[in-house]
Amino acid sequence: DAGVIQSPRHEVTEMGQEVTLRCKPISGHNSLFWYRQTMMRGLELLIYFNNNVPIDDSGMPEDRFSAKMPNASFSTLKIQPSEPRDSAVYFCASGTTGNYGYTFGSGTRLTVV
Amino acid sequence: AQKVTQAQTEISVVEKEDVTLDCVYETRDTTYYLFWYKQPPSGELVFLIRRNSFDEQNEISGRYSWNFQKSTSSFNFTITASQVVDSAVYFCARKTGRRALTFGSGTRLQVQP
Repeated sequence: DAGVIQSPRHEVTEMGQEVTLRCKPISGHNSLFWYRQTMMRGLELLIYFNNNVPIDDSGMPEDRFSAKMPNASFSTLKIQPSEPRDSAVYFCASGTTGNYGYTFGSGTRLTVV
Repeated sequence: AQKVTQAQTEISVVEKEDVTLDCVYETRDTTYYLFWYKQPPSGELVFLIRRNSFDEQNEISGRYSWNFQKSTSSFNFTITASQVVDSAVYFCARKTGRRALTFGSGTRLQVQP
């Protein structure tokens, strides 16, 4: 079991550029979550999918953020255009339906300059 | 929003001391689940424990123990004989139904040698 795989681990980009973060969940998990961690706001849920369908995207900050899950083994979080305030660590997590703990990826540290 | 509160922002102890991390949650639900995660300096989020709202038995795992008190809506975490490797940020979280995990703001534990 390779765990939840996120790429890239680090991303530095200029303001205005498009950024795409990638996540491969654990095989067999049917729920996928994107969280953002900042010093000011802590860990906040951006969006989550169940069986590849977005269930709750109320945490997505604004239209610049979009997430997709085209199949059970892959998800992307895209920011276009990026802004300095988007700088954070973005975590992807996967789990199974029900009230179980999630497995988190190692995160992507995004810096927008 | 139903909050999870970790009032202790940072705790510093000397190795071998016992330390308790507090967690208080809000809920209007009768069925819910509580979690603790550890985030070491390397940044990943590590699942420690999950408890459901119907099971108030305290749990012990090695040097770790958890005290769940529904009457005070608390789910506290105690590390006995702390070690330097316990230094990390610890997050308490709550989950209800199909909603995603809601995290507290975390407690940074520093264990000095």
